[in-house]
Amino acid sequence: DIQMTQSPSSLSASVGDRVTITCRASQGISNYLAWFQQKPGKAPKSLIYAAYTLQTGVPSKFSADRSGTEFTLTISNLQPEDFATYYCQQYSGYPYTFGQGTKLEIK
Amino acid sequence: QVQLVESGGGVVQPGRSLRLSCAASGFTFSSYAMHWVRQAPGKGLEWVAVMSYDGSEEDYKDSVKGRFTISRDNSKNTLSLQMNSLGAEDTAVYFCARSRNYNFYNMDVWGQGTTVTVSS
Repeated sequence: DIQMTQSPSSLSASVGDRVTITCRASQGISNYLAWFQQKPGKAPKSLIYAAYTLQTGVPSKFSADRSGTEFTLTISNLQPEDFATYYCQQYSGYPYTFGQGTKLEIK
Repeated sequence: QVQLVESGGGVVQPGRSLRLSCAASGFTFSSYAMHWVRQAPGKGLEWVAVMSYDGSEEDYKDSVKGRFTISRDNSKNTLSLQMNSLGAEDTAVYFCARSRNYNFYNMDVWGQGTTVTVSS
């Protein structure tokens, strides 16, 4: 199975800050990487797919990058609605696997 | 609008069975592969199973192989997950999600989830 190692597991930031979350795949997955946002008691929401591409309707404050098997999600100008848990997920091969999640909290 | 609505969750004793359903609307269900993903209480997301748009291909997480069966009825726009021999480790919120194809496509729309609790 492809392991997805996500860091940090939690992150404290202030409104207006810029934060970056990292996800590393245990083997090459090309650009088959998605990012999701999940709020308590809600379904995950797709933010980014194909490593870089914003899902329709997702604001440009979210951006993503890739370097080899390391992927990053950056959120700029944090607003109260951005504080949530974020997951990466590979869809290069089955079983699809998720990172452990990063809980973004208000400082 | 595009919508997925899960149902069928509940409290079930260890070793018993449960069948989940996912009703799709607002898109051409028969053109999309469909997944089940679960989330144990306080834990992360875990992919469970997938079925291709026409039901010809399926795959499962190892820990549910032989116990869970995914199926779909394209005439009724419904996805199902038959879960047998349930154990405490299967306690979770179960989400259905769609993807444009069986391989190499992300899950873009998710249902709100249905809760399964395995307990005596």
